[in-house]
Amino acid sequence: EVQLVQSGAEVKKPGESLKISCKGSGYIFTNYWIGWVRQTPGKGLEWMGIIYPGDSDTRYSPSFEGQVTISADKSITTAYLQWNSLKASDTAMYYCARLGGGPPGRYFGYWGQGTLVTVSS
Amino acid sequence: NFVLTQPHSVSESPGKTVIISCAGSGGSIANNYVQWYQQRPGSAPTIVIYEDIQRPSGVPDRFSGSIDSSSNSASLSISGLKTEDEADYYCQSYANSNWVFGGGTKLTVL
Repeated sequence: EVQLVQSGAEVKKPGESLKISCKGSGYIFTNYWIGWVRQTPGKGLEWMGIIYPGDSDTRYSPSFEGQVTISADKSITTAYLQWNSLKASDTAMYYCARLGGGPPGRYFGYWGQGTLVTVSS
Repeated sequence: NFVLTQPHSVSESPGKTVIISCAGSGGSIANNYVQWYQQRPGSAPTIVIYEDIQRPSGVPDRFSGSIDSSSNSASLSISGLKTEDEADYYCQSYANSNWVFGGGTKLTVL
């Protein structure tokens, strides 16, 4: 069974750094692209970027390029989403999802449970 | 830019059929596969239709997808509505190396 398990909710202050994780299991982790999707009440679902754990090839949405860093450690089948300096506007639910119909993949076939990030002073 | 537009909300009675639309603009919806996701309150999205009409295993055949090239739109049909179908539904397409989501439709089953 394919599973993506994300790290727990975070509460941070503006300017702080953060790295959230997404551990994949039940499939060959290095064979599928993983994406990160942001969900906010105002803007709905937005793809942020994707990574191929096999060689760490990474692509970013223009809206998020330079704002976040996506990485993966294939030895522990885990993908990451990282911020160096959080803003209040980063408050959102973040999902990782495995792509299908690729490469890299036309759709998000399996989703993690989500990580709620709250940024507030 | 390719944009997908959905109605904000729809409602229908149990046992009936509902159709949720997803209008494309800035490109041809028929040239890019459309997916549909269901998101129940407090849960992550799950895919219910992929590549326009395909149903993942475990998704009941009450769910079906279609494409109308003439109106440049996609539709999700849910027949025999159940209260458990009450959720937000999002269409999504992949165009120009970009994963585009519709704004979502809240389905109320009353």
